[in-house]
Amino acid sequence: NAGVMQNPRHLVRRRGQEARLRCSPMKGHSHVYWYRQLPEEGLKFMVYLQKENIIDESGMPKERFSAEFPKEGPSILRIQQVVRGDSAAYFCASSVRDYGYTFGSGTRLTVV
Amino acid sequence: DQQVKQNSPSLSVQEGRISILNCDYTNSMFDYFLWYKKYPAEGPTFLISISSIKDKNEDGRFTVFLNKSAKHLSLHIVPSQPGDSAVYFCAASEGGTSYGKLTFGQGTILTVHP
Repeated sequence: NAGVMQNPRHLVRRRGQEARLRCSPMKGHSHVYWYRQLPEEGLKFMVYLQKENIIDESGMPKERFSAEFPKEGPSILRIQQVVRGDSAAYFCASSVRDYGYTFGSGTRLTVV
Repeated sequence: DQQVKQNSPSLSVQEGRISILNCDYTNSMFDYFLWYKKYPAEGPTFLISISSIKDKNEDGRFTVFLNKSAKHLSLHIVPSQPGDSAVYFCAASEGGTSYGKLTFGQGTILTVHP
């Protein structure tokens, strides 16, 4: 496992469609984090998950956004009924509990 | 409410000279601070960190200074190299850990000229 893998790298959706962003953490990492970077801004925390559990979702918009990290498979960030304001770079990071983050290369979502 | 601020959007430095990137924070509960480097189309890469029990941490060409009373930290890069050209983010967390929720600044674009 070369690192945190995110796919797709680029995603284009029309307004009203659904976007699904995938994140496979590094081998042995059981903690996953999602961040969003809007143009000209820093990264904003969205959600922190462990396997099958949401630990902290204080940064998630209340509507249309959801995240999961199932027992098997990647973590998924799901955005329903996308709007132009959802256009951003979405970064996933993973960690072992007692060590720091490793970030993936991100998914650039464009809503047209 | 911007709890971590990097007030300089950009910095230009000559190769071999010192680069100083600054960061201010407002949340007194922050007790662990990190610097990340980011190239275009890539994710942030961890550079160096410092706990609030220290005022300085050094790793090769990179040194981070923390002034808790001023709620200010800075990253010094000496000597600067063209490959250091990137966006630098400072980040902070509560609970004295390098994991968990991080609050990021807006970033500073560093350009090192040959």
